[in-house]
Amino acid sequence: GAGVSQSPSNKVTEKGKDVELRCDPISGHTALYWYRQRLGQGLEFLIYFQGNSAPDKSGLPSDRFSAERTGESVSTLTIQRTQQEDSAVYLCASSSRLAVSSGANVLTFGAGSRLTVL
Amino acid sequence: QKEVEQNSGPLSVPEGAIASLNCTYSDRVSQSFFWYRQYSGKSPELIMSIYSNGDKEDGRFTAQLNKASQYVSLLIRDSQPSDSATYLCAVLIRYALNFGKGTSLLVTP
Repeated sequence: GAGVSQSPSNKVTEKGKDVELRCDPISGHTALYWYRQRLGQGLEFLIYFQGNSAPDKSGLPSDRFSAERTGESVSTLTIQRTQQEDSAVYLCASSSRLAVSSGANVLTFGAGSRLTVL
Repeated sequence: QKEVEQNSGPLSVPEGAIASLNCTYSDRVSQSFFWYRQYSGKSPELIMSIYSNGDKEDGRFTAQLNKASQYVSLLIRDSQPSDSATYLCAVLIRYALNFGKGTSLLVTP
């Protein structure tokens, strides 16, 4: 696609429910990133995919968080048993292999999924 | 110590003035540095990238990098009200961009 697409754009859920957030990266972009941005805060790195492999999951805040990616396309971030502190905007970004390997690492961000846990 | 630090601001400058935004980072081996702009309620967009010591100019924007001091800055000349946004400094550490919390800039007419 022309840009990074995320869905849903807004999600309101009750504490304890599971949520799934989806990211469609730019076609041909092999690197995919998930970040979390709490209100008034900077971007917190969650996980990075190169292809469908996730070399580093250490940014995931707890074992309630998991992510997967199908090939070099769609990625899903799943939050189980949501808590109020999970409320944030979840941003997905993608980058081409060339950009990553050259150190340029120019990320293109999606519009984000705003999650509100009541 | 946070890996990327920025003053949260807000930084207020009058229209037409130079806005100076600063950032320090802790990882000495980092080689790639970026400035992103984020309007309220929107996702970040890339303004500048810089990889070598010195200055890099692009229109009204100048990025400055000093690796010895682990310091990167962004100058915005002839600031416009439309420049009012949060500016995020990002440093490539291993394979991921680490972001600062951002500096809020307000350009007053």
